[in-house]
Amino acid sequence: EAQVTQNPRYLITVTGKKLTVTCSQNMNHEYMSWYRQDPGLGLRQIYYSMNVEVTDKGDVPEGYKVSRKEKRNFPLILESPSPNQTSLYFCASSPGTGAYGYTFGSGTRLTVV
Amino acid sequence: ELKVEQNPLFLSMQEGKNYTIYCNYSTTSDRLYWYRQDPGKSLESLFVLLSNGAVKQEGRLMASLDTKARLSTLHITAAVHDLSATYFCAVTEIATSGTYKYIFGTGTRLKVLA
Repeated sequence: EAQVTQNPRYLITVTGKKLTVTCSQNMNHEYMSWYRQDPGLGLRQIYYSMNVEVTDKGDVPEGYKVSRKEKRNFPLILESPSPNQTSLYFCASSPGTGAYGYTFGSGTRLTVV
Repeated sequence: ELKVEQNPLFLSMQEGKNYTIYCNYSTTSDRLYWYRQDPGKSLESLFVLLSNGAVKQEGRLMASLDTKARLSTLHITAAVHDLSATYFCAVTEIATSGTYKYIFGTGTRLKVLA
């Protein structure tokens, strides 16, 4: 089944403790992206990647890191999480031509206390 | 900076009625996407509109794109309860690096009342 797999689905952590949210897709998509969703703010892009080793900042990159060492994986790293990073995070992928919409992962609800 | 605005933000409608959700964006783009999100769930792609005048229909939903007016509409015909969800539009913007970004609207929360 074609899908984007995110893990974990839920995570509660403490301020300053490094964490990684994994994202993997099995559709050979070129384009991958991370979003955060907050009430009243819609989805805001954190980082995106057009291909392996090619990443770029979205609108809210501060406090996040990403890497794209393999085409299928695009992990999101929070080196020192803070409470304002409490949010619902989505990973998404697309073929990259713009002719198709995203396929989204199921989301990761992160709480930083 | 590209801005994408949807209205209304909230919409409560009776079953059987028709209504339209509007998506305005601030810069030139010929690619527009509509997504649906059910409560507590992820987003699902509904429509991809790739040119001026494009129209797509699926069941009771019809989406159109007017790139000159920088406007897309999502029309709901004879609403049913199952259409209750949040609907997002998204537009692509070419970044200075030559890559492109998807910018989402804030969403329209639709509630269809029996």
